Amino acid sequence: GIQVEQSPPDLILQEGANSTLRCNFSDSVNNLQWFHQNPWGQLINLFYIPSGTKQNGRLSATTVATERYSLLYISSSQTTDSGVYFCAARSGAGSYQLTFGKGTKLSVIP
Amino acid sequence: DTEVTQTPKHLVMGMTNKKSLKCEQHMGHRAMYWYKQKAKKPPELMFVYSYEKLSINESVPSRFSPECPNSSLLNLHLHALQPEDSALYLCASSGIGFLYQETQYFGPGTRLLVL
Repeated sequence: GIQVEQSPPDLILQEGANSTLRCNFSDSVNNLQWFHQNPWGQLINLFYIPSGTKQNGRLSATTVATERYSLLYISSSQTTDSGVYFCAARSGAGSYQLTFGKGTKLSVIP
Repeated sequence: DTEVTQTPKHLVMGMTNKKSLKCEQHMGHRAMYWYKQKAKKPPELMFVYSYEKLSINESVPSRFSPECPNSSLLNLHLHALQPEDSALYLCASSGIGFLYQETQYFGPGTRLLVL
């Protein structure tokens, strides 16, 4: 099955700093999502982005499907951005299974 | 409305108990999922229902029994669990087919502790 790798595993930022999280995947994808898991465990959808670029406020994401990677950009980070960011991908038509990376744990300090 | 609801939020049960987790969505999604997440790990897929039929069972022990009574509801029946089954149980739903983009939306989860 598809392999999903995320980097870095841990990231500590000062409030107001910018960051880039990376997700590499081993096969062509027809579904790629970024999630933020808050300290209470809720997985929040950030982007559905199997290809291209999207922006939502201070967050943006780019997936270069031909090179099998996706990037999540966080600008002007806030303490509420803390948590774990997961990338999840799916390859193969007719498949329902999303494969999750191990996540990037982000800590934003005041 | 992109909400998936789960009850209960927390559950403590003994190894001989029978309990059920419930999940509901009203987005018209025809695929629903159960995931299990241990601390500091990513979610792991347990079951997938599509059009109310079980389509994927990821070799889950029979002490976990899923049920999809209708297109909006998903249950997970628990019986004779082990302490290692303690985890966060997440429900998700998605559309099927390219028109829906198949984005998975997750509920807030049920934190299960087995004593």
